[in-house]
Amino acid sequence: ILNVEQSPQSLHVQEGDSTNFTCSFPSSNFYALHWYRWETAKSPEALFVMTLNGDEKKKGRISATLNTKEGYSYLYIKGSQPEDSATYLCAPHYGQNFVFGPGTRLSVLP
Amino acid sequence: ETGVTQSPTHLIKTRGQQVTLRCSSQSGHNTVSWYQQALGQGPQFIFQYYREEENGRGNFPPRFSGLQFPNYSSELNVNALELDDSALYLCASSLDRSSYNSPLHFGNGTRLTVT
Repeated sequence: ILNVEQSPQSLHVQEGDSTNFTCSFPSSNFYALHWYRWETAKSPEALFVMTLNGDEKKKGRISATLNTKEGYSYLYIKGSQPEDSATYLCAPHYGQNFVFGPGTRLSVLP
Repeated sequence: ETGVTQSPTHLIKTRGQQVTLRCSSQSGHNTVSWYQQALGQGPQFIFQYYREEENGRGNFPPRFSGLQFPNYSSELNVNALELDDSALYLCASSLDRSSYNSPLHFGNGTRLTVT
């Protein structure tokens, strides 16, 4: 059974703070890694699709890096806003299906 | 472009009963995956359907079964419900069965409570 870990489990930051969280996963035989943002009462939405060919993605204030050798990915949020409050899920793909981590729940306080 | 829709949104069943959950995939997507999310955990892969055939299965017993129809919509059936089946069930569609480089498109989920 593949174990995908995310840390921290939850965090609270003030509006304007920058923050980051970690996804660690077995590094052998994985094909790609996805990050999803899941706001309360909505469906998970794709943030980044990270392939073995690229190791950094950026979308506005949010960016992600991927270390394929050691099996970890960082998600960074610069200048957090209340609308960033959500659960962030990472999901590496191992050839047949995605294996989701438990998520990091972010609360941004105004 | 129509997104992924799931029905019903909430469901309460009694232990031992059977349940059917439904999912309409995003237009243009031929692959549907089902996930179970128990409290405090990430979504766990149940199975995937591609062009009406099961195309991969997670660590779930045979009483979890599914169907995919010619229009690529899908059903998840669970027989002999147990209390531990209480969870949020998510459906996700994607462009192709091997499209790990394409994002999953999720529905809002069905919250199943087994009493």
